[in-house]
Amino acid sequence: GQQVMQIPQYQHVQEGEDFTTYCNSSTTLSNIQWYKQRPGGHPVFLIQLVKSGEVKKQKRLTFQFGEAKKNSSLHITATQTTDVGTYFCAGLKQGAQKLVFGQGTRLTINP
Amino acid sequence: GAVVSQHPSRVICKSGTSVKIECRSLDFQATTMFWYRQFPKKSLMLMATSNEGSKATYEQGVEKDKFLINHASLTLSTLTVTSAHPEDSSFYICSAGIRTGLSGYTFGSGTRLTVV
Repeated sequence: GQQVMQIPQYQHVQEGEDFTTYCNSSTTLSNIQWYKQRPGGHPVFLIQLVKSGEVKKQKRLTFQFGEAKKNSSLHITATQTTDVGTYFCAGLKQGAQKLVFGQGTRLTINP
Repeated sequence: GAVVSQHPSRVICKSGTSVKIECRSLDFQATTMFWYRQFPKKSLMLMATSNEGSKATYEQGVEKDKFLINHASLTLSTLTVTSAHPEDSSFYICSAGIRTGLSGYTFGSGTRLTVV
């Protein structure tokens, strides 16, 4: 079945350093979505990427979708303590409704 | 828009009893809702897809007789954990989207179930 692999599993950075998490799907995706889950909270939708090679920015966050629509990345510039949490990518196959989640990358930050 | 309300947020029950968790879409109609289970520090595992007016579609390995899903209206889906055992203790989360499969999904706040 479809799998979405996400690395790294954990990342600890100093405040102000950059952070990147990567996702790779075993199959071509219709779109990929990114979610953030704070400790003790629930996943919150961040963004959706649909087009091949698409790049979207949200303030310090940059999201990319690969040309083959099988991989994606989330890059955070100059991390802040508010960025702490687990970032999940989730892929959607063409015509499908259910998301397949990556394992998540747990980001912790040293202030 | 797209608010999903989930209740209860926490529940403790005795082994052998049943627990019902509700998931409501407050400002939109959701013909499809999804139920996930999440273990500590792990990813979300899709348990089933809840379809309004029809039977839920369960993922492989999920016991449909143990995890009963009812989606009787366009704004409410329920998950009932029957004859709960301690190993059923987990974080259960529902989600729904305004345009299923076409845009991001909104998650409920989750239910932390502890079976003692």
